[in-house]
Amino acid sequence: QKEVEQDPGPLSVPEGAIVSLNCTYSNSAFQYFMWYRQYSRKGPELLMYTYSSGNKEDGRFTAQVDKSSKYISLFIRDSQPSDSATYLCAMSAFYNNNDMRFGAGTRLTVKP
Amino acid sequence: GAGVSQSPSNKVTEKGKDVELRCDPISGHTALYWYRQSLGQGLEFLIYFQGNSAPDKSGLPSDRFSAERTGGSVSTLTIQRTQQEDSAVYLCASSSWTVSEQYFGPGTRLTVT
Repeated sequence: QKEVEQDPGPLSVPEGAIVSLNCTYSNSAFQYFMWYRQYSRKGPELLMYTYSSGNKEDGRFTAQVDKSSKYISLFIRDSQPSDSATYLCAMSAFYNNNDMRFGAGTRLTVKP
Repeated sequence: GAGVSQSPSNKVTEKGKDVELRCDPISGHTALYWYRQSLGQGLEFLIYFQGNSAPDKSGLPSDRFSAERTGGSVSTLTIQRTQQEDSAVYLCASSSWTVSEQYFGPGTRLTVT
């Protein structure tokens, strides 16, 4: 079993839809959770960063962490064609360490 | 400010040749990471530099891979005697002492023919 599991998709939705992206993990020590967006032929860019459990909202994006279920989610409201990208979850146990683990990424297409 | 830069953006090489990939981290970032991303795969950790500490090389897949970081800034990843299975995107990231988020460069797409 991988430490971080992420459905690779692909996921295709119409413009304006609410998108839900998820990751599960097995290491209960993880407490820093990140979502990265990666456009085709580009490096990943940090989208959301959360610590421990709870929700964090930034514009159309909401990150949720449920440590009891070892489950994290990224919601995208009013999705746009420009949101079409691969979304990678990442998590780590320690602050500023090299223990970060990445999901395989979910490829999202938002159709106009 | 300037982000992480990598060069070259694309590299095509023949099997058996050596290649060098370069990474310029964000100024002031003490930590530097190299990852490999193959098609449909997650990021595979290769090596980690933190300040003046000895690098963590635990992710390097074989002794054909090596990396160095000069002056605590620029890093070079070297792959000797390249094999076709080395074909992938090689990503560099950096972070500072105060945060755990990593900032990535655009990557070098390596193709071994």
